[in-house]
Amino acid sequence: EAGVTQFPSHSVIEKGQTVTLRCDPISGHDNLYWYRRVMGKEIKFLLHFVKESKQDESGMPNNRFLAERTGGTYSTLKVQPAELEDSGVYFCASSLKLQGTAQGNTIYFGEGSWLTVV
Amino acid sequence: AQRVTQPEKLLSVFKGAPVELKCNYSYSGSPELFWYVQYSRQRLQLLLRHISRESIKGFTADLNKGETSFHLKKPFAQEEDSAMYYCALRETSGSRLTFGEGTQLTVNP
Repeated sequence: EAGVTQFPSHSVIEKGQTVTLRCDPISGHDNLYWYRRVMGKEIKFLLHFVKESKQDESGMPNNRFLAERTGGTYSTLKVQPAELEDSGVYFCASSLKLQGTAQGNTIYFGEGSWLTVV
Repeated sequence: AQRVTQPEKLLSVFKGAPVELKCNYSYSGSPELFWYVQYSRQRLQLLLRHISRESIKGFTADLNKGETSFHLKKPFAQEEDSAMYYCALRETSGSRLTFGEGTQLTVNP
């Protein structure tokens, strides 16, 4: 079974440019999450999709960040315009469902997209 | 608001020695607690969860509600245990994970 895949794995952009990160969750997983870890800080929640709907976007830092999940399959996270403090690792994760069996609500992570803004 | 604290950013032990990675949390309800591990050049993966009360790769963790702790323990560390370990909390009513800052464990030969 393919895991959560993220693209690109690494990206270096200049301040003010736009970057779009893509996440393909595990097939059949309705829940999709974005997290990020900026240098020296803990991994922080950004938002949560259930299918194509935003269930919780309280972790989004500001309106320069836009996440979409059209069709309830893959998701994109766009940063526009990028700032220096946006540098870090952006993780995508997915899970089958929220409640129920422990196996069903296990959250699986992708390898992360490393973003460097210079 | 919930919070997870891992007081040690770095922990170094010798092979065969016991290891304990500390995790404390603050949350008013009854949370789910997890340990995630990230080996070098690999993705973050679930190591164990408190509700399963299982032992994975020789690691165990007991939820102590009185001390609000969920320390990860292994009696005899192995070199392949070297990795970044994250303690995480999930509210019972929600779905987001709240992570600690992580502890980088190095097991020396």
